[in-house]
Amino acid sequence: EPEVTQTPSHQVTQMGQEVILRCVPISNHLYFYWYRQILGQKVEFLVSFYNNEISEKSEIFDDQFSVERPDGSNFTLKIRSTKLEDSAMYFCASRIGSAYQETQYFGPGTRLLVL
Amino acid sequence: AQSVAQPEDQVNVAEGNPLTVKCTYSVSGNPYLFWYVQYPNRGLQFLLKYITGDNLVKGSYGFEAEFNKSQTSFHLKKPSALVSDSALYFCAVRDQTGANNLFFGTGTRLTVIP
Repeated sequence: EPEVTQTPSHQVTQMGQEVILRCVPISNHLYFYWYRQILGQKVEFLVSFYNNEISEKSEIFDDQFSVERPDGSNFTLKIRSTKLEDSAMYFCASRIGSAYQETQYFGPGTRLLVL
Repeated sequence: AQSVAQPEDQVNVAEGNPLTVKCTYSVSGNPYLFWYVQYPNRGLQFLLKYITGDNLVKGSYGFEAEFNKSQTSFHLKKPSALVSDSALYFCAVRDQTGANNLFFGTGTRLTVIP
């Protein structure tokens, strides 16, 4: 069964450093998402991406964040200058189409720790 | 604005007993509701969804959920709990505008006691 994959599973970085989190969505899916989950808190929407552009973003997704689909398979989240409060589990998700009944499928997550 | 509430942080149930994990929602239009489960060190796995139709929705691993419009609830249920059901359960509602992102509840940790 196809699934969303994410790399790395864990990343430790120093405050101020740039990180890139990678995701490979399910191959025939067209809509891509990033969510984050700070330890002990709920999952929060960051950004959605369709047709090579951001379609919606939350207040969390400030100028430090960017997303890209550099090729036909990868979908990346970049944090330019990490802060301590960026420490969280980051989930990628994808959805096949635009119909309201379509399900989002999530990857296993990348746990980011900023020191 | 859309939101979901999961009033219980923790639910404990004995193996073999029925389980219920509660969720209430707030939306301005038709609700599109989802349940996901998160096992330790794993991602979110889709369990089931309500879009339209029958109020009782059946999903993976023997779980079901009952949509109740008058009570604005979407409780997750299973007739007989397994120890392997122990995990974190999230209720979510789809954003009805824009890109269909999900709004999640705070999660309920289910522990099934052998």
